[in-house]
Amino acid sequence: DAGITQSPRHKVTETGTPVTLRCHQTENHRYMYWYRQDPGHGLRLIHYSYGVKDTDKGEVSDGYSVSRSKTEDFLLTLESATSSQTSVYFCAISDSDRAVWTQYFGPGTRLLVL
Amino acid sequence: DAKTTQPTSMDCAEGRAANLPCNHSTISGNEYVYWYRQIHSQGPQYIIHGLKNNETNEMASLIITEDRKSSTLILPHATLRDTAVYYCIVRDSNTPLVFGKGTRLSVIA
Repeated sequence: DAGITQSPRHKVTETGTPVTLRCHQTENHRYMYWYRQDPGHGLRLIHYSYGVKDTDKGEVSDGYSVSRSKTEDFLLTLESATSSQTSVYFCAISDSDRAVWTQYFGPGTRLLVL
Repeated sequence: DAKTTQPTSMDCAEGRAANLPCNHSTISGNEYVYWYRQIHSQGPQYIIHGLKNNETNEMASLIITEDRKSSTLILPHATLRDTAVYYCIVRDSNTPLVFGKGTRLSVIA
């Protein structure tokens, strides 16, 4: 399994509070991604990063920001959490040195916004 | 939007081959076919990918039609642990994965 960890694995928070989720990799892969998964919607891309300090928006980026100050860490921040952001969040990584970029996923973070 | 069409659900008897179809009629020449699966509550797991040739690894085989408009993922001897949602995804090497609804495979004892 790819060396990907996510923290925290579970979090309960209140509406309006800031929340930061962390994805940490030990593979030195260039690309990192944040997805959310909700019933009836499957996995949807929030943001991704193609290098340190280089990020781009995905399909559902509103209400989220990201930062990547070093290769191994990709942070997802909810500046002011809302109940609609209750979801399971998955981080993924991929290796740009290969001809075909296979994405590997972390174990997920379950976030409940009350 | 996902560029693939998959059946919503399938059943397979334990020990038999599971054949999961996928239609991708608008696939372009530089797009690969990827298969992932997601076992309940876990992160998606990479299974296999291919461009135009059939591929096999320790988990599964991927059969791609000659016109590349459809493919089939084959799990040769399905076990109860293969019960999962299986996603067929087409992409070129430059884009993040876009997931559709997938096929829910139930392996029955």
